[in-house]
Amino acid sequence: GQNIDQPTEMTATEGAIVQINCTYQTSGFNGLFWYQQHAGEAPTFLSYNVLDGLEEKGRFSSFLSRSKGYSYLLLKELQMKDSASYLCAVRVTGGSYIPTFGRGTSLIVHP
Amino acid sequence: DVKVTQSSRYLVKRTGEKVFLECVQDMDHENMFWYRQDPGLGLRLIYFSYDVKMKEKGDIPEGYSVSREKKERFSLILESASTNQTSMYLCASSVAGTAYNTEAFFGQGTRLTVV
Repeated sequence: GQNIDQPTEMTATEGAIVQINCTYQTSGFNGLFWYQQHAGEAPTFLSYNVLDGLEEKGRFSSFLSRSKGYSYLLLKELQMKDSASYLCAVRVTGGSYIPTFGRGTSLIVHP
Repeated sequence: DVKVTQSSRYLVKRTGEKVFLECVQDMDHENMFWYRQDPGLGLRLIYFSYDVKMKEKGDIPEGYSVSREKKERFSLILESASTNQTSMYLCASSVAGTAYNTEAFFGQGTRLTVV
């Protein structure tokens, strides 16, 4: 199986930068996803990393280190609307390649 | 835009009832999924289907079954609802393939309460 670990909750201030970490223990790594989920809504896709390094997409960036089993999601210039849960999901080779989700990190942005 | 539609946003059912949750996607995706989401436990996979009439058990299939008679529709069935099945149920779909990003598109969820 896979073990995926994320902090349960984080708080940050509007306009600041926040980094949400995700660590995983797995064999046959085949990609890592980040999703955003606002309260009462469906998760929506943010990013996908399969190679080491940083992927930047506007205010959001995602980093992966396969050797360390580690990823982070970086949110810059935080806005109130960024208050949401952020879900890390890892896919492995073999079987049906279905991603396994972590428990999610609830981010609260304060004015 | 990809659309994944779940038939109900809220459902209240009695213990012992047979419950059907329906999900339809309009992007011709091969893969469809049913998850349940509970506070502190995250998203847990119940069942997965990669083609019509094909299904695989996820992490928590006990008490559930599924049906996929058409490519666009994936149904979750609670054979005899119990109070511990009170949860948020999320349907998702994605293209098949493993060599590239196969992001999942989620429906809005069905909040099921079993009383």
